[in-house]
Amino acid sequence: AQKVTQAQTEISVVEKEDVTLDCVYETRDTTYYLFWYKQPPSGELVFLIRRNSFDEQNEISGRYSWNFQKSTSSFNFTITASQVVDSAVYFCALSENNNAGKSTFGDGTTLTVKP
Amino acid sequence: NAGVTQTPKFQVLKTGQSMTLQCAQDMNHEYMSWYRQDPGMGLRLIHYSVGAGITDQGEVPNGYNVSRSTTEDFPLRLLSAAPSQTSVYFCASSFTPSPVANYGYTFGSGTRLTVV
Repeated sequence: AQKVTQAQTEISVVEKEDVTLDCVYETRDTTYYLFWYKQPPSGELVFLIRRNSFDEQNEISGRYSWNFQKSTSSFNFTITASQVVDSAVYFCALSENNNAGKSTFGDGTTLTVKP
Repeated sequence: NAGVTQTPKFQVLKTGQSMTLQCAQDMNHEYMSWYRQDPGMGLRLIHYSVGAGITDQGEVPNGYNVSRSTTEDFPLRLLSAAPSQTSVYFCASSFTPSPVANYGYTFGSGTRLTVV
């Protein structure tokens, strides 16, 4: 069975600080996909990034970066120079093999960025 | 291009009533899924579909039915509502994963259901 653990329930930072959200996963499959989603206070869920199990390259998109390490089964998300608009719940998710309809989500990390 | 449309946005049911949550997508996605989100918890998969005519159970399927007669529609039926089904329900859709494309679920805006 697959499992996603986001050990940080809540994080609070001051604007312009860097913050890293941790995600640890468990799976028996050799082919899988990892995701991050954002849920702002308005409640919608927004896709941020997807990583394939065979691609360990780190990804950077503006102030966001993702560090995928198969050796530690982790897929961490860093926000550089955080802004108030980054305040949201962030979910890490995993889908095994080729089943895009069956993702397992972590419990989420609530990030609060204070001005 | 509407994406994923969920209706209704809010619903209050009495215990024992039945209802259908509607979900429609216009992106020709093969995969569609229903999740529920409870306070302090992540999303838990109720049912999912890999294409028209094919559905399967997720982690918490009891008390819910689904069908997928067309690619576009994936309704979720509550058979006999219980207070434990009070939750926010999200419908999601996706293409078949491709190693070279960076995409995930597209979610609907959610249905907030209260069972009294």
